[in-house]
Amino acid sequence: QVQLVESGGGVVHPGRSVRLSCVASGFTFSNCAMHWVRQTPGQGLEWVAIISYDGANIRYADSVKGRFTISRDDSKSTLYLQMDSLTSEDTGLYYCARDTPGSMDYWGQGTLVSVSS
Amino acid sequence: DVVMTQSPLSLPVILGQPASISCRSSQSLMHRDGNTYLSWFHQRPGQSPRRLIYKVSNRDSGVPDRFSGSGSGTDFTLKISGVEAEDVGVYYCMQGTHWAWTFGQGTKVEIK
Repeated sequence: QVQLVESGGGVVHPGRSVRLSCVASGFTFSNCAMHWVRQTPGQGLEWVAIISYDGANIRYADSVKGRFTISRDDSKSTLYLQMDSLTSEDTGLYYCARDTPGSMDYWGQGTLVSVSS
Repeated sequence: DVVMTQSPLSLPVILGQPASISCRSSQSLMHRDGNTYLSWFHQRPGQSPRRLIYKVSNRDSGVPDRFSGSGSGTDFTLKISGVEAEDVGVYYCMQGTHWAWTFGQGTKVEIK
């Protein structure tokens, strides 16, 4: 069955960086576009970024553009989110999710990022 | 960005009774490809969201048929024909027609 397992979260100081990972199994990862979505107390669910199946097309939410970088390693069936210049507004639970046309079907359990001094 | 507005934000329901959640978008969700990319998700406490409905009215595999989605343009509805205890949690609509994809604020369903 489809499984997505995120990791890499933790407590981070403002202005610092963290890299999240999402290991996929149960489907052909290299055939699928993938998303990052975050859930914050203030904003609810917020779409963060998408990467196409081949990595050629990438989009970001305006709130993270220029600070976050989504990438993938198909040899490891792994999705990444490099998060730089973190602020308290980036605190939240970060999910990876598999893309379907205009939607997402499977979500991981999430990894918590807390930006605090 | 497209604003998704759900109502009500809190919905106390009696077991076995129907429930309905509204989701309105600030722009039409009809894509130029002819599809309308409106999805519904259910999130139980401590769990990640689970998709119930995609493209307005298509139920995901394993979703009970008491759940149904309808609507068009900017006005959409999720209906539960008879609420069961496992249906408690927060329901979100999401649009995938316009970048950036956006979610509604969520509707918390609880048993009265």
